[in-house]
Amino acid sequence: AIQMTQSPSSLSASVGDRVTFTCRASQGIRNDLGWYQQKPGKAPKLLISAASNLQSGVPSRFSGSGSGTDFTLTISSLQPEDFATYYCLQDYNYPYTFGQGTKLEIK
Amino acid sequence: EVQLVQSGAEVKKPGESLRISCKGSGYRFTSYWISWVRQMPGKGLEWMGRIDPEDSYTNYSPSFQGHVTISTDKSIGTAYLQWSSVKASDTAMYYCARHHSGAYWYLDYWGQGTLVTVSS
Repeated sequence: AIQMTQSPSSLSASVGDRVTFTCRASQGIRNDLGWYQQKPGKAPKLLISAASNLQSGVPSRFSGSGSGTDFTLTISSLQPEDFATYYCLQDYNYPYTFGQGTKLEIK
Repeated sequence: EVQLVQSGAEVKKPGESLRISCKGSGYRFTSYWISWVRQMPGKGLEWMGRIDPEDSYTNYSPSFQGHVTISTDKSIGTAYLQWSSVKASDTAMYYCARHHSGAYWYLDYWGQGTLVTVSS
């Protein structure tokens, strides 16, 4: 199975900061990667598909990039509602695999 | 509006059987695969497996193969996740999610989750 490694595991930041999360695949996955946001007690929400396609209704401060094995999710200016846990998911082949998550906390 | 509505919380004893459900609406149910995702308390997301409601073809994660069964009843637009004998380690939140259909197969819509608690 493809292993997905996210870094950092947690991150403290302030409103207005620019933050970047990384997701690395153990083998090439083209751009078959999505980013999901999960808030406590809620279901995950798709933010970005195919590594860089922003989903409808997702604020433009979110952006994704990468291909092959290395991917990033960037939030250009943190808002209070962005504090959550973020997961990457490779949908390149089975079994699909999630990264372990990055928890974004308020500094 | 696309919606996936899951069945309510369950409390079971070890060894009991269990089936939870996920009803799709607002789209053609047989045109989109459904996956199930586990989240153990305080932990991350784990992909369990997926089903094509059109022909019931399934793929399972090796971690879950043989422990759970994914099925659908396309006549009522519902997917199921079932256990023949639950264990305490099955205590978790379970989410169903719909796959996008096309060149990419990401999970675009999610159910609200079903909490399963297994305790003697």
